[in-house]
Amino acid sequence: KDQVFQPSTVASSEGAVVEIFCNHSVSNAYNFFWYLHFPGCAPRLLVKGSKPSQQGRYNMTYERFSSSLLILQVREADAAVYYCACQNYGGSQGNLIFGKGTKLSVKP
Amino acid sequence: DSGVTQTPKHLITATGQRVTLRCSPRSGDLSVYWYQQSLDQGLQFLIQYYNGEERAKGNILERFSAQQFPDLHSELNLSSLELGDSALYFCASSVGGPGTGANVLTFGAGSRLTVL
Repeated sequence: KDQVFQPSTVASSEGAVVEIFCNHSVSNAYNFFWYLHFPGCAPRLLVKGSKPSQQGRYNMTYERFSSSLLILQVREADAAVYYCACQNYGGSQGNLIFGKGTKLSVKP
Repeated sequence: DSGVTQTPKHLITATGQRVTLRCSPRSGDLSVYWYQQSLDQGLQFLIQYYNGEERAKGNILERFSAQQFPDLHSELNLSSLELGDSALYFCASSVGGPGTGANVLTFGAGSRLTVL
């Protein structure tokens, strides 16, 4: 079954580098997408691709079946849910298959 | 503002009832996707439309149906509602359809449905 796996929670301290890991069992998946979701708001794309990439404080690592999102100099305001997703070419689940989300908590 | 508009933001109804959720995609986007987020669950893909036609189907119940209109807005109809249908329903839009390389989905803020 095509699935995306990520930890349910990650805890960090302000100023640290936090890593959220994701892996998948999705056939024909080549791209990872990382979304940020604050409750009551629209999930927002942070970074994506099929190779390591960086957008501001957000770094994405890439392996064929896994990716990590690294958040540099994490702040209390980064506390939110982070979703990892894979793009399934031609699958029955549309373009993106999401993990269950990782809730990040940040201690001051 | 993501450019994807969902209404209503909140909806409370009773079991057995029927509701309609509406989504207006971002300007220029031809694809609309519906996702369900239940408690402690991730975003579960329901269905996708591209330029008015159904293109992909996920774990959508037979009690649920959707359509995309000529002006590209979409509606998700949920009928014979059960307590377990209480969830956050997200709409997303993208420019292309299935198989489009690195197709980026832009999400709306969701419609929270509570079934009592």
